[in-house]
Amino acid sequence: GENVEQHPSTLSVQEGDSAVIKCTYSDSASNYFPWYKQELGKRPQLIIDIRSNVGEKKDQRIAVTLNKTAKHFSLHITETQPEDSAVYFCASSYSGGYNKLIFGAGTRLAVHP
Amino acid sequence: DSGVTQTPKHLITATGQRVTLRCSPRSGDLSVYWYQQSLDQGLQFLIQYYNGEERAKGNILERFSAQQFPDLHSELNLSSLELGDSALYFCASSETTGTGVEQYFGPGTRLTVT
Repeated sequence: GENVEQHPSTLSVQEGDSAVIKCTYSDSASNYFPWYKQELGKRPQLIIDIRSNVGEKKDQRIAVTLNKTAKHFSLHITETQPEDSAVYFCASSYSGGYNKLIFGAGTRLAVHP
Repeated sequence: DSGVTQTPKHLITATGQRVTLRCSPRSGDLSVYWYQQSLDQGLQFLIQYYNGEERAKGNILERFSAQQFPDLHSELNLSSLELGDSALYFCASSETTGTGVEQYFGPGTRLTVT
């Protein structure tokens, strides 16, 4: 079945450094890859997404890259700030899957001032 | 605020009991998804409805069931509850079921089984 692996499980960086979170998916039919940010006790919120026909997408300090051949996609956060501290989840879905999302296990990012 | 509402916010009940979680999607959204988030776990897809009909099923236990009503709100029924069912249950909604249509998550219902 579909599976998404996410690494690392925890990530600690200094304010201003970059953070990279990586995910690998198993289903070659996957064609949509969103990233969600979840603060403690809150709902997941979409921060950026990428579709299979695009290799990279940027939104201010956040970027996502996709390598379809290797079935890898990554989240890059530059110039990290303390408010970036949260749990980040990658996910995938595929055409014909009715948009259901298969999530990675999450990465707890801590940004230290 | 995503526009998705869930009630109750918190629920504490005993093993063996049955509970119902309620979700109202954003105005205009026809699709509802249910996800389970156990302690220190990721989000697990349970089930999805579109305009009243079940469309996709994940690793949902037989003790769990759901439905979507004509007014598009959805209910998730959990029966014969076990300690391991303690989790945060999220509902999400989207306009359609097309791949890549953004899902908006509700605030969640925290279920504690004692």
